[in-house]
Amino acid sequence: QVQLQESGPGLVKPSETLSLTCTVSGGSMSSDYWSWIRQPPGKGLEWIGYFYYSGSINYNPSLKSRVTISLKTSKNQFSLQLSSVTAADTAVYYCARGRLGVVGPHFDFWGQGTVVTVSS
Amino acid sequence: SYVLTQPPSVSVAPGQTARIICGGKNIGSKSVHWYQQKPGQAPVLVVYDDSDRPSGIPERFSGSNSGNTATLTISRVEAGDEADYYCQVWDSSTDHLVFGGGTKLTVL
Repeated sequence: QVQLQESGPGLVKPSETLSLTCTVSGGSMSSDYWSWIRQPPGKGLEWIGYFYYSGSINYNPSLKSRVTISLKTSKNQFSLQLSSVTAADTAVYYCARGRLGVVGPHFDFWGQGTVVTVSS
Repeated sequence: SYVLTQPPSVSVAPGQTARIICGGKNIGSKSVHWYQQKPGQAPVLVVYDDSDRPSGIPERFSGSNSGNTATLTISRVEAGDEADYYCQVWDSSTDHLVFGGGTKLTVL
């Protein structure tokens, strides 16, 4: 059973960089789409981006200029960096495994989520 | 960019059938995935590739997809099915992932 766990600061100051790490256990990272998804308070899910095991990376166009996702297969971890944050980036951040299906991936395993608040 | 449209809310009495729709241009040509999210919890995959169920998901959950509409059907609705439901697809023209806005299912 694959398990994912997010970690990182729960409070980030405006204009600074949000950094989160997702640790994967119970499975290999040598396949699949390793993804970050967020959910602002009271709102829906927003895909942030993914790192595909082949090396392909893709980001939500609305965040692309500020996002970096990287993989550390040796440590079974992948990370998220979001720069120049504002209050609008306050959200629950989830990491998830995207498993390839008939057309594109679906998210079959999720972390529990971590709350990140942007405030001075 | 590709857009998925869901009704904000659906209400159904216990024991009845709930249908939650997800609209998108020619969505029938894509694979649609559905997630259930209860308050304070991470989403859970309930249907993938239009109509397949992960292990552990009751047969009461089913899906269909054709034309411009995909549908998640929950039969014999129970109080425990009350949650937010999200559809998701892969936009092959951009290799981006897209979520619908979510539908709150209320069990009366």
